[in-house]
Amino acid sequence: DGGITQSPKYLFRKEGQNVTLSCEQNLNHDAMYWYRQDPGQGLRLIYYSQIVNDFQKGDIAEGYSVSREKKESFPLTVTSAQKNPTAFYLCASSTKTGLYEQYFGPGTRLTVT
Amino acid sequence: AQKVTQAQTEISVVEKEDVTLDCVYETRDTTYYLFWYKQPPSGELVFLIRRNSFDEQNEISGRYSWNFQKSTSSFNFTITASQVVDSAVYFCALSEMNRDDKIIFGKGTRLHILP
Repeated sequence: DGGITQSPKYLFRKEGQNVTLSCEQNLNHDAMYWYRQDPGQGLRLIYYSQIVNDFQKGDIAEGYSVSREKKESFPLTVTSAQKNPTAFYLCASSTKTGLYEQYFGPGTRLTVT
Repeated sequence: AQKVTQAQTEISVVEKEDVTLDCVYETRDTTYYLFWYKQPPSGELVFLIRRNSFDEQNEISGRYSWNFQKSTSSFNFTITASQVVDSAVYFCALSEMNRDDKIIFGKGTRLHILP
């Protein structure tokens, strides 16, 4: 079955630790995205990638880093510099960026204490 | 300024009632796309529809229908004969041809269908 997988579903970390969220897709999509969702805030774009080995900052990139070494994979690292890391993180992919619909993974709920 | 406005934060209706979710957008582009997504309690966003700016025909898919009106910059979503499984957060979104290859999401409308 084609789709997007994110792991784990729930993640707990202590403050000051970096943590990496996994996102894998087997849809052969060129573009991939990371969003953050807070209650009542909608979706905010963290980073996106249009092609392998290339990525751009979204609206709230500070405190986050990404890599795109393979077409299928777009991991997100939440660094200790991110002031409020507790949130629901959603990964998405699309055929190309912009005008095409995005398909989403199930999300990772990160709690930092 | 907000590009996609979903003024209804939360709506509750009784099962079998019809309900319309409003979406107003703002753009200067002549070429753009509009989307609706559903986020059930599980959290994963589900793509519902994409509509381009040159196609103002209404769309119907089962109990779902969409009304696109460029004159009022609106792209409203109606669920007919609502069911409890329709309970979710619904997001409207906009993608503009000449803007950074991003989709801009509204803040969502939380829909409760009461049995």
